Amino acid sequence: NAGVMQNPRHLVRRRGQEARLRCSPMKGHSHVYWYRQLPEEGLKFMVYLQKENIIDESGMPKERFSAEFPKEGPSILRIQQVVRGDSAAYFCASSTDPGNTIYFGEGSWLTVV
Amino acid sequence: DAKTTQPPSMDCAEGRAANLPCNHSTISGNEYVYWYRQIHSQGPQYIIHGLKNNETNEMASLIITEDRKSSTLILPHATLRDTAVYYCIVGPNDYKLSFGAGTTVTVRA
Repeated sequence: NAGVMQNPRHLVRRRGQEARLRCSPMKGHSHVYWYRQLPEEGLKFMVYLQKENIIDESGMPKERFSAEFPKEGPSILRIQQVVRGDSAAYFCASSTDPGNTIYFGEGSWLTVV
Repeated sequence: DAKTTQPPSMDCAEGRAANLPCNHSTISGNEYVYWYRQIHSQGPQYIIHGLKNNETNEMASLIITEDRKSSTLILPHATLRDTAVYYCIVGPNDYKLSFGAGTTVTVRA
């Protein structure tokens, strides 16, 4: 049973470019969450999505960041016009229900140069 | 969410039990205790969680004191692959996990 799949694992972008991070939840999971881990800091919740709906984006920066979970295909975290401060590890997680155990993917490491 | 206090680091001998403490004196009645771990450059891995009763699974045991103000995660037979940062998280049974600094556990041969 495959776990949460994220790609790319590592991504390098120049300042001002766009970064797209993809996440396929575990089989049978319809709830997806994105977390961010800045260097030397703990993981912080960003956004919670179900298919075609954003349920809670209270942890998402108001500008340049967006997330989607289309009816078909993976969830996408999009960062426009990246800046050096966006360099971080971005983790996707999924669950069968928001009250059930959350399982994390291996993460996508974004480096902005 | 209630705040947790964990020692910043601890060492453990391979093959011995590792007992990881966590204080959560402000925990409220509906808040769970979760444990995750993060091996270097990997995603957090779920270990175990509980509300009031002690819990055990194939990875670990969770002992919660009767007043719920503290808990202990027990890895019964630590291996080198258990070297990781261990996070004790207290919160409602939902998706907003609040990760602190955790305890860096180093298992030594």
